[in-house]
Amino acid sequence: DTGVSQDPRHKITKRGQNVTFRCDPISEHNRLYWYRQTLGQGPEFLTYFQNEAQLEKSRLLSDRFSAERPKGSFSTLEIQRTEQGDSAMYLCASALALPPGEQFFGPGTRLTVL
Amino acid sequence: KNQVEQSPQSLIILEGKNCTLQCNYTVSPFSNLRWYKQDTGRGPVSLTIMTFSENTKSNGRYTATLDADTKQSSLHITASQLSDSASYICVVSEGGATNKLIFGTGTLLAVQP
Repeated sequence: DTGVSQDPRHKITKRGQNVTFRCDPISEHNRLYWYRQTLGQGPEFLTYFQNEAQLEKSRLLSDRFSAERPKGSFSTLEIQRTEQGDSAMYLCASALALPPGEQFFGPGTRLTVL
Repeated sequence: KNQVEQSPQSLIILEGKNCTLQCNYTVSPFSNLRWYKQDTGRGPVSLTIMTFSENTKSNGRYTATLDADTKQSSLHITASQLSDSASYICVVSEGGATNKLIFGTGTLLAVQP
């Protein structure tokens, strides 16, 4: 499968625990985006990387959230001290930077915080 | 504030019927407008993409229109099938260096036999 993959697909955790999600983009794509989607809403932009550089972060990304893309390939999104309000689908997308290309989405990670 | 609004919020139609979904946007700068299909529990999949100069684009039974003057778009689905049941999301790209996407809240379509 040469599409965007995300792991895990589902995560249930207790409030206060830390969680980490992984995204593997399409191999030749140098841009990687993270979005959050709550029930009944469209995805909202969180952050994006070009290669290993994190170029923009939304104000939605509180200091409990951190994203990395250390080698410019896969990316991780960590949420520390999870809260019930963090329950959502976390979507990853990848694209070519030049020309600005279509973003291809992964299947998402569904997080439930109890 | 950049916004994308969609209507209706939800729609139920019988298999074989046609339907039209609406999208209004206030996004500037504007690069392109896309319609995505999102099955429950899955990531969005692109159906069509239109730039400022395009006013219609088809993809099989899906036809999207764009009026850049009124900042409105529609997605018309012809001869609906059960597999069309999904959320349809209108997305506008701001363009520029980020190419940030502004998503609508989607129209939830249910096609019944």
